[in-house]
Amino acid sequence: GENVEQHPSTLSVQEGDSAVIKCTYSDSASNYFPWYKQELGKRPQLIIDIRSNVGEKKDQRIAVTLNKTAKHFSLHITETQPEDSAVYFCAAEGNTPLVFGKGTRLSVIA
Amino acid sequence: KAGVTQTPRYLIKTRGQQVTLSCSPISGHRSVSWYQQTPGQGLQFLFEYFSETQRNKGNFPGRFSGRQFSNSRSEMNVSTLELGDSALYLCASSFLQGFGETQYFGPGTRLLVL
Repeated sequence: GENVEQHPSTLSVQEGDSAVIKCTYSDSASNYFPWYKQELGKRPQLIIDIRSNVGEKKDQRIAVTLNKTAKHFSLHITETQPEDSAVYFCAAEGNTPLVFGKGTRLSVIA
Repeated sequence: KAGVTQTPRYLIKTRGQQVTLSCSPISGHRSVSWYQQTPGQGLQFLFEYFSETQRNKGNFPGRFSGRQFSNSRSEMNVSTLELGDSALYLCASSFLQGFGETQYFGPGTRLLVL
């Protein structure tokens, strides 16, 4: 079955700096890769997703890149703000239901 | 549109009891998936329902079951509760069934088993 590895598990950045979170997956059949943000005590919220026919997708300060050959995808957050502090989860889906990474706790220091 | 709702939000049970959790999807969404979230294991898929039929099932024991009603609302049941069942149970809805459908999560039900 699918296995998703996410790194780093914790990340601290200064406000205004960029943050990068990386995920690798094992199943070459996976073709849908969403990213969720979960603030403390709240529900996971979809922030961006990418499908296998696209190599990069951007939405304001957030971008996701996908390398299908290497089976990895990354989340890039530019000009980080304190409200970006949360746990971020990557996930992969193909022939199996969504499999999530273990999450990255991002802290943005003002 | 109103988001995904779950009831109850918090629940305390003792070992051996059973529990039923409810999920109402976004209006028009016909697929409901359930996940268990724990600090150690993260988010793990339990099952998915579409048109009142279970379409996929995760690697959980048979004590975990669910169903979906004709209005797409879903319930999950856990029987003979164990301490390790303490977790946040999240449901997510999507418009259609199938891989690649965007899922929207509810606020979750936090279950504590004593």
